[in-house]
Amino acid sequence: AQSVTQPDIHITVSEGASLELRCNYSYGATPYLFWYVQSPGQGLQLLLKYFSGDTLVQGIKGFEAEFKRSQSSFNLRKPSVHWSDAAEYFCAVGARVYSGGGADGLTFGKGTHLIIQP
Amino acid sequence: DAGVTQSPTHLIKTRGQQVTLRCSPKSGHDTVSWYQQALGQGPQFIFQYYEEEERQRGNFPDRFSGHQFPNYSSELNVNALLLGDSALYLCASSLRTGNNSPLHFGNGTRLTVT
Repeated sequence: AQSVTQPDIHITVSEGASLELRCNYSYGATPYLFWYVQSPGQGLQLLLKYFSGDTLVQGIKGFEAEFKRSQSSFNLRKPSVHWSDAAEYFCAVGARVYSGGGADGLTFGKGTHLIIQP
Repeated sequence: DAGVTQSPTHLIKTRGQQVTLRCSPKSGHDTVSWYQQALGQGPQFIFQYYEEEERQRGNFPDRFSGHQFPNYSSELNVNALLLGDSALYLCASSLRTGNNSPLHFGNGTRLTVT
């Protein structure tokens, strides 16, 4: 069975500071990894995904993530946060993806709530 | 181009009742997945429909059932509602084959069971 751990429930960062959100996964084979963001009252928006290849993945809104197989991690980073980045961030792992871009049911972590201080 | 639309946005039901939630996928998508997100938790996978059949199911009881129609829209039905079924129910659509189009989520239906 696959699982995802996001160790930090809340993180507070000053506007303009750098950000790193941690994600550790457990899966027996090559994982397909995702980061999603959820604003209050909204659905989830895909920030980036890792399927294979280059372990440093670039996403939208200036986010990037690095896949480290040896550490079973897929941490999300941003060099300089903006107040609009305040939201809930979810890491997810999937067992299979399809050529059309879809995937089997994803397993999500419990999320990290990001607070931006002015 | 409309994204994933879900209805209703909010719903209040009583324990023991039955509820039906609806989802229209993003234009061109053929696969619909349903997730339950309890307050303060990450989404949990309920099931996925493709070609009008349930293709994959998460760890949810038989009280949760679904359907996919020929136009790819989908319904989630929950019978004998429990207080613990109170959650945000998210629908996600995707494409099985063809042009790479990632998973798109709707804004969800907030179900409250009293």
